[in-house]
This record gives sequence, C-alpha cells and structure tokens, in this order.
Amino acid sequence: SQQGEEDPQALSIQEGENATMNCSYKTSINNLQWYRQNSGRGLVHLILIRSNEREKHSGRLRVTLDTSKKSSSLLITASRAADTASYFCATANTGRRALTFGSGTRLQVQP
Amino acid sequence: GAGVSQSPSNKVTEKGKDVELRCDPISGHTALYWYRQRLGQGLEFLIYFQGNSAPDKSGLPSDRFSAERTGESVSTLTIQRTQQEDSAVYLCASSLNFVGGGADTQYFGPGTRLTVL
Repeated sequence: SQQGEEDPQALSIQEGENATMNCSYKTSINNLQWYRQNSGRGLVHLILIRSNEREKHSGRLRVTLDTSKKSSSLLITASRAADTASYFCATANTGRRALTFGSGTRLQVQP
Repeated sequence: GAGVSQSPSNKVTEKGKDVELRCDPISGHTALYWYRQRLGQGLEFLIYFQGNSAPDKSGLPSDRFSAERTGESVSTLTIQRTQQEDSAVYLCASSLNFVGGGADTQYFGPGTRLTVL
C-alpha cells in the first residue's frame, strides 16, 4: 500500500509561477525523499530531508517537513516548461529497506 | 560513471509465457531494489537485495515472481506464466548502502516496459 499521498494529483501552471506539491504519510519516518519522473520511466532523486530537519533547499527547490503533521511540501520556484514531470514523495521508515512511494503529482508547466 | 541500466527497454509477450528482466546496478552499490509501476500509479516495492544478506521478498505479489542477484552485481527479475495484470514498467534502483535508520538515496534505471497480450 502507498504510505505517501501527494496533493494535488495534477497541477497546471504558467512558466515563471511557483509550484507547490504536498505529501502526507502515516507512520514515523527516518527520512523523506522527493523524486521526479519524466515520461513514465526512470526516476531522478531531487532531495532528501531527514526526520530531524524542517527545511531544505536545493537550487529552485525548497522542501519542508512537519513530522507532527506527518506532511511534507515541495516548492519549485520560477517554474520552467522543462519542470513538466511527475513528482513523487517517498518515505524511508526506520528498519525498512525499501522506500514507500506515493501516487505522485503530475505537474504541467505551460510556456 | 555509468548509471543503472536495464534490459530490455520494452518487452511484449503473450499471456502464459515467462519473461526475464535484467538490471545492472551502479558499480559499488551494495543495495538493489525492484519496483513495479502500473500506468498512472506510484511505485510498488517488489524485492530488495543488500550485499550477501537474505533478500527482502515481502513485496513480491505472487510465487510467479522471483529475483536473483549474484554478489553485488547484476540482478534478474523473472515472471513466470505472465498474466495481463503483470503489464507495467519494472524499475530497478541501487544505492550505496542501507544507512542505519532508513533507506538512502536510490538511483533508478530507465525501466523495462512489459506488455502482456
């Protein structure tokens, strides 16, 4: 079963706007990771935030983590058409080897 | 260096046939994972290998699915007597190690798109 659930399922914005995607999960985690997938093939790791961190930045990406609410958000600033992709959050639970993926947010950035 | 590679990239087979999917992880990565992704869905964990430890097979959906890995190298995922419901993209990922309390960053291959007619 999917632990992480992304919201919204789909998002369409104009180039230059910011895109925010949210992820909720159910059990305690060791870390939470965001991945990007183009055209339904391989995933690319974007950022990892540990359970003792609250915010992390990487270029135009900003990730927040609220363990009390069991939620995370991914913000992409100044979006570009090339950011069009599906974005997945994945949780790493203590003691479990595999990541648990959500169902993803499909982002469409209109040029 | 080279990333994770998978072959074939696409596989079309008839219901009832066996298929074998291959994954070459990044050299030096001790952990290897197989996931399945149905159209428009997230990833489902299938199986995990870590070094010489017994694999975690808890995600395999039925006994028609099996996987092997030799040492810290190539892995093959075998699906016997394929069914139409097996149609999906099968993704392989590798990582450096299992870091203490949680899974480390995973590096994914491009996947094998399996279509069962």
